[in-house]
Amino acid sequence: AQSVAQPEDQVNVAEGNPLTVKCTYSVSGNPYLFWYVQYPNRGLQFLLKYITGDNLVKGSYGFEAEFNKSQTSFHLKKPSALVSDSALYFCAARRAAGNKLTFGGGTRVLVKP
Amino acid sequence: NAGVTQTPKFQVLKTGQSMTLQCAQDMNHEYMSWYRQDPGMGLRLIHYSVGAGITDQGEVPNGYNVSRSTTEDFPLRLLSAAPSQTSVYFCASSPQTGQGRTGNQPQHFGDGTRLSIL
Repeated sequence: AQSVAQPEDQVNVAEGNPLTVKCTYSVSGNPYLFWYVQYPNRGLQFLLKYITGDNLVKGSYGFEAEFNKSQTSFHLKKPSALVSDSALYFCAARRAAGNKLTFGGGTRVLVKP
Repeated sequence: NAGVTQTPKFQVLKTGQSMTLQCAQDMNHEYMSWYRQDPGMGLRLIHYSVGAGITDQGEVPNGYNVSRSTTEDFPLRLLSAAPSQTSVYFCASSPQTGQGRTGNQPQHFGDGTRLSIL
């Protein structure tokens, strides 16, 4: 069975500081990895994905993520956080040949001015 | 440019009642899915469909039924509502998953249906 873990329920960061949201996964075979963001009373919005190739993936709104196969991690990063980045972030994974997407429990990010 | 549309946005039911949550997408996506979101548990897959006439169970299918008669619509039915089904329900769609060219596409989500069962 595949699983995704986000070890931090909440991350607090000051505006302008680097932001990191952690994610580890357990997927048999080659994984497809995704990050989504959720704002209040809205559905999830896609940020970025890792399919194959470069381990550093760049996505929307200045976010990037680093795929580390040996540590089975896919941490989300942003060099300089904005107050508007405050939201709920979800990591998700599935097998390359599979149809089921598994989500982590989510990490709430609070960026303080 | 509607994307994925879910109705209703809010609903309160009594235990034992039945209802259908509607989901429609206008992107001609083959793959559609239903999730429930509960605090601290992320999103859990209820049922999914890889095309009209084809459905399969996800992680938490008990108490829910689905059907897929058209590409556009994927309704979720609660047969006899229970308080444990109080949750926020999300529908999502994407091009067909698999090993084909579109197999790595992200899902598009609706804005959810907030369901309370008393």
